[in-house]
Amino acid sequence: DAKTTQPDSMESTEGETVHLPCSHATISGNEYIYWYRQVPLQGPEYVTHGLQQNTTNSMAFLAIASDRKSSTLILTHVSLRDAAVYHCILRVAGTGYQNFYFGKGTSLTVIP
Amino acid sequence: NSKVIQTPRYLVKGQGQKAKMRCIPEKGHPVVFWYQQNKNNEFKFLINFQNQEVLQQIDMTEKRFSAECPSNSPCSLEIQSSEAGDSALYLCASSLSRNTLYFGEGSRLIVV
Repeated sequence: DAKTTQPDSMESTEGETVHLPCSHATISGNEYIYWYRQVPLQGPEYVTHGLQQNTTNSMAFLAIASDRKSSTLILTHVSLRDAAVYHCILRVAGTGYQNFYFGKGTSLTVIP
Repeated sequence: NSKVIQTPRYLVKGQGQKAKMRCIPEKGHPVVFWYQQNKNNEFKFLINFQNQEVLQQIDMTEKRFSAECPSNSPCSLEIQSSEAGDSALYLCASSLSRNTLYFGEGSRLIVV
């Protein structure tokens, strides 16, 4: 069963900021939130991850709700190269079976 | 460009035929995962290894698939007798531990 919920699709215009939401209402205290993105004909690419605090890197800003039941991946100044399926994933820390739970992902379309 | 190398990129098999895919993990990564991604972008965990040892695998993998990660050789995933439902993108990912996974570009299997 999927442990994360994401919208099927979202649309943005080049140069804008886009907020990609993810709901994980049953997240456990030892689960990290990971984001990957995937373009056609390629495997998923790591974007960012976090546990409790907001995180930022060259690719994106990850905002995590204080109750950790939701998170938002924020992409600034999006370009056509950011068009991809974005997967929000929970990962159990330490030992574990199937320790990456992939959602269906959000397909982001970027309009020129 | 992915540092996890998967071959072949595409393979077409008839029902009942064997299908074999290979994966060279990123150098120095002892952990390898195999996932199956269907046409709806849903991921299914198949099996994972640490060095040459199987850590976890699902029932389907145990019964119809065989996988190995021999030392100094590519990892492999083989379907003993392909079924139409096996048509999917098979993704290999490697990791230093069980933290961030780095994916290859995948092997797309079509069973006709």
